[in-house]
Amino acid sequence: AQSVAQPEDQVNVAEGNPLTVKCTYSVSGNPYLFWYVQYPNRGLQFLLKYITGDNLVKGSYGFEAEFNKSQTSFHLKKPSALVSDSALYFCAVRDTNAGKSTFGDGTTLTVKP
Amino acid sequence: DAGVIQSPRHEVTEMGQEVTLRCKPISGHNSLFWYRQTMMRGLELLIYFNNNVPIDDSGMPEDRFSAKMPNASFSTLKIQPSEPRDSAVYFCASSIGTGNTRTHEQYFGPGTRLTVT
Repeated sequence: AQSVAQPEDQVNVAEGNPLTVKCTYSVSGNPYLFWYVQYPNRGLQFLLKYITGDNLVKGSYGFEAEFNKSQTSFHLKKPSALVSDSALYFCAVRDTNAGKSTFGDGTTLTVKP
Repeated sequence: DAGVIQSPRHEVTEMGQEVTLRCKPISGHNSLFWYRQTMMRGLELLIYFNNNVPIDDSGMPEDRFSAKMPNASFSTLKIQPSEPRDSAVYFCASSIGTGNTRTHEQYFGPGTRLTVT
């Protein structure tokens, strides 16, 4: 079984400040982990993934995420937030033996000028 | 690459009517997924295909829903008869799901906004 939790429905940050969007997961085997972003009236867009190797992965638009196996977490981070980063963010997990991913409920990020 | 293509982008229909949503995955992708998104239930996986074969349809709500993938470049999701509670945004996504070039991540289409009155 696989599951993912995004504990915050909403994250608010000021432009220029660092941002973190939290994600924890549960899998029976090894995880593949993903972050997606959804802008209003658009489909989900892939941001970054952890498959294997370096625990710190870098993705599009300056985002990065750190895989922490002991804490079963994969938090999304960005050093300096932009107003244009405001969107809905989804974390997803897939067990290496599974054919489908499980998505979290999403976190709405609002960056205020 | 044109990305995943979905049609129509918007569909308004009356309760009881048949609705057909269409999806063209990215060329070369062999896994295709249908999702439904609503405010109440979030993002739900309805069904997915590998190499045109349905693998898991456990998310299909009921017999009113059916999906087909007659070839590698086309899939349909049909609702017959439609009900107001089917109103949602339906997304199609594709990926390279197997083999040495598997991508793992999914690429989503723009979605079809369905309204059933």
